[in-house]
Amino acid sequence: GAGVSQTPSNKVTEKGKYVELRCDPISGHTALYWYRQSLGQGPEFLIYFQGTGAADDSGLPNDRFFAVRPEGSVSTLKIQRTERGDSAVYLCASSRDGNQPQHFGDGTRLSIL
Amino acid sequence: AQSVTQLDSQVPVFEEAPVELRCNYSSSVSVYLFWYVQYPNQGLQLLLKYLSGSTLVKGINGFEAEFNKSQTSFHLRKPSVHISDTAEYFCAVSERGTYKYIFGTGTRLKVLA
Repeated sequence: GAGVSQTPSNKVTEKGKYVELRCDPISGHTALYWYRQSLGQGPEFLIYFQGTGAADDSGLPNDRFFAVRPEGSVSTLKIQRTERGDSAVYLCASSRDGNQPQHFGDGTRLSIL
Repeated sequence: AQSVTQLDSQVPVFEEAPVELRCNYSSSVSVYLFWYVQYPNQGLQLLLKYLSGSTLVKGINGFEAEFNKSQTSFHLRKPSVHISDTAEYFCAVSERGTYKYIFGTGTRLKVLA
């Protein structure tokens, strides 16, 4: 079946704007994860959903970042009052459950001007 | 706390030569270990995983890795590389039964003709 789909693939916006990044997981995968990958670094964990609920949001850097998964499938990562330091590739992954290997999407490259 | 160290940020190697990409981890509990590959402007693709059982794990594209508990290592090897193996390789660890992956900073493999 189809892999993890992320849209948009690229997003350029001005400092202070609001952005939404979308993730469509593999069908049937109950677990969904968001990571942030800065230039030259490995991905860093942001948040983990099991079904509709955020089981662990300890990686969100501050309260400008929020994520939802209202129907247990598609998830949206929301960033308010964007800052230049938010520029990164945001990766989404899903797995059959929280103990299975994670499958990653191609990411959204976010650039804050 | 868990951590992953990939000491080599870049590894140049000639085509058809063997390669080893090093990964060391620290953890006070049993772990799962993973290697992912990332091609330019793409997400992470799972190469192989160690969950339990045989310490020698074979993955896709001719790669293999060996889990060494005493040395807390999970080095990735390929006996003969191709130009198409040029990519960034990430080692990741998670505590058994948990979902949170800790990634290393990556190793850029450059295969030379």
